Amino acid sequence: QKEVEQNSGPLSVPEGAIASLNCTYSDRGSQSFFWYRQYSGKSPELIMSIYSNGDKEDGRFTAQLNKASQYVSLLIRDSQPSDSATYLCAVIRGGSNYKLTFGKGTLLTVNP
Amino acid sequence: DAGITQSPRHKVTETGTPVTLRCHQTENHRYMYWYRQDPGHGLRLIHYSYGVKDTDKGEVSDGYSVSRSKTEDFLLTLESATSSQTSVYFCAIGGTKSSTDTQYFGPGTRLTVL
Repeated sequence: QKEVEQNSGPLSVPEGAIASLNCTYSDRGSQSFFWYRQYSGKSPELIMSIYSNGDKEDGRFTAQLNKASQYVSLLIRDSQPSDSATYLCAVIRGGSNYKLTFGKGTLLTVNP
Repeated sequence: DAGITQSPRHKVTETGTPVTLRCHQTENHRYMYWYRQDPGHGLRLIHYSYGVKDTDKGEVSDGYSVSRSKTEDFLLTLESATSSQTSVYFCAIGGTKSSTDTQYFGPGTRLTVL
């Protein structure tokens, strides 16, 4: 089982819709969870971090964490064409000295 | 890019030549990381540093070495470049009092080994 798994996509949504991006992880000792956005040809940009079970909201973005199910998700409300990018899920496993393990990313396309 | 620069931004080299990539930060972060990003593999950790002269291996460290003689600089060296090391290399920094585990990425270096 891969350590961090994401659907590669592409995920296509119409402008104004909610985009839902999902990620599962294998290590139950994982402590910290991150979502990064990466535009084509650019570097990853941090969107959100989440550490506790439940929801965390920041503007149009909501991260959701369920440690029992080993599942983390990112919801993007009122999706815009500028949200079109690859979204990377990353996890810090317990005892890993803050080393990130990344999923392969989900390509999101928002259609005008 | 959170006060991180990488140099060079693009490099083309030949198999067997040594290559050094530089990461420079102005944020005084304790941790620095080198990743490579390849289609189908995503971002993978090569080496990281948790302080000056303190480094450790990551997931894909074979063929790479690193050095950190100053807080602000982290060097990645390919002793003898191979075509399999053609990739995009990202440096990241992390480790502040307020956010020990959050990492911020530099702009990247695109390396082509012919």
